[in-house]
Amino acid sequence: EAGVTQSPTHLIKTRGQQATLRCSPISGHTSVYWYQQALGLGLQFLLWYDEGEERNRGNFPPRFSGRQFPNYSSELNVNALELEDSALYLCASSLGDRRVAETQYFGPGTRLLVL
Amino acid sequence: SQQGEEDPQALSIQEGENATMNCSYKTSINNLQWYRQNSGRGLVHLILIRSNEREKHSGRLRVTLDTSKKSSSLLITASRAADTASYFCATVSGASKLTFGTGTRLQVTL
Repeated sequence: EAGVTQSPTHLIKTRGQQATLRCSPISGHTSVYWYQQALGLGLQFLLWYDEGEERNRGNFPPRFSGRQFPNYSSELNVNALELEDSALYLCASSLGDRRVAETQYFGPGTRLLVL
Repeated sequence: SQQGEEDPQALSIQEGENATMNCSYKTSINNLQWYRQNSGRGLVHLILIRSNEREKHSGRLRVTLDTSKKSSSLLITASRAADTASYFCATVSGASKLTFGTGTRLQVTL
C-alpha cells in the first residue's frame, strides 16, 4: 500500500512569490494535516482538512491557505513568500475522526527555500 | 506553540545500551504519540499511548505515561546504529491536531 506522497520534494522561490505544495493521503484516509518544520522552531501545526473542509488551523497568517479535493488529496498554498517561510513542510493523513486523532502517517515532506 | 518539552535535547550512547527520552506537556490530553525522524525527512509513527494507559510496549520500545505529572518517557532497549534519529513526542488534546515536543536527537555509535 502506498504511503503519503508529497510533491515537489524541493522548491526554490523568491520573496513575494507564491508556492503550491501537494499531498496525496493514504488510500482510505479522509483527513489531511499540514505541518511546518522550520529550523529552531520545531514542528508547528498548520492546517487540518477532513472530508473537504478545513477543520482546524494553527497560528499562521492568512497567506497560508489550502484546500482538499474530492479525492482527499490536498494543496497548501503560501502567498507573498517571506524568507522565514523556508522550512520543511510535512503532510500527514489519518482515517479521519473529528473527535480524537489516531495515528497520523507522514509523507517525506517538501523542502521550501525562499531566497 | 510547543506543548511538550523533551529532555535531553541530545543523547549519545553506544550500540547495545538503552536510551531513555522524556517528554513533559502542559494540558490534559487524549493520547500521546512518539515519532521518529531521520535526517530532516518525514516522521515515522512509533507508538501511541492513550490517556487511560500507563505503559505500552512495542518491540524494543517501552513507553510510560504519567498523567498526574503530565509526562511520558520512551525507552529504547539494546539500541542499534539504525536508531540514530530525532525522536518527538506529540500530544493530542482535542481538535485532532498533533502538538509536538521539541525533540531529542539520539546518536548511537558503534
